[in-house]
Amino acid sequence: EVVLTQSPATLSLSPGERATLSCRASESISSTYLAWYQQKPGQAPRLLIYGASNRATGVPDRFSGSGSGREFTLTISRVEREDSAVFYCQQCTRSQVTFGQGSKVEIK
Amino acid sequence: QVQLVQSGAEMKNPGSAVKISCEASGGAFNTHFINWVRQAPGHGLEWMGAILPIHGVIKDSQNFRARVSITTDESTGAVTMEMRGLRPEDTAIYFCARDVRQYTFAYGLDLWGPGTLVTVSS
Repeated sequence: EVVLTQSPATLSLSPGERATLSCRASESISSTYLAWYQQKPGQAPRLLIYGASNRATGVPDRFSGSGSGREFTLTISRVEREDSAVFYCQQCTRSQVTFGQGSKVEIK
Repeated sequence: QVQLVQSGAEMKNPGSAVKISCEASGGAFNTHFINWVRQAPGHGLEWMGAILPIHGVIKDSQNFRARVSITTDESTGAVTMEMRGLRPEDTAIYFCARDVRQYTFAYGLDLWGPGTLVTVSS
């Protein structure tokens, strides 16, 4: 199965700063099947990005996704306090879905 | 607005089975793949499988194929996930979640149930 490795494990930022989260796949994957989620404590995950770069309904435009092949990025252009959460990437290859281990964003 | 409703928390003994259901309130979901994802306490997300209710098409995880069955109850429209041979390490929150696009698998999961806590302990 495809292994997704996310970095950094934890990112600590002040409001207004830029967050860059990385998701690296163990082999080249189709960007069509790359998604990003945000999960806050005690809540179900929330879809942010699908197809590597398409924002889901209602997602603020400060969230953007990019990448191809093995390297994908989630960018938060100016973090807000409400963005404090764990972020996961997800992919599907050969009908097998895997998630990254998550990156935690902390707001100072 | 469609919401996913899941059955309640379960406490199970090791070696037993658990069945969790997922229904849509406020609309239908049978033209979207319904996925099952679990999360052990303090851990990440793990995909378990999916079903397209209208056609009964199954996408199963190689990691859970031997122990997990995903079915649709045609009379109620609910999707059910059964896991057999439970172990303490299966203690987790189990989520059902809908694929964002109709008839299309794995684009992204845009609608999630609240989760069902399954505790496996003797």
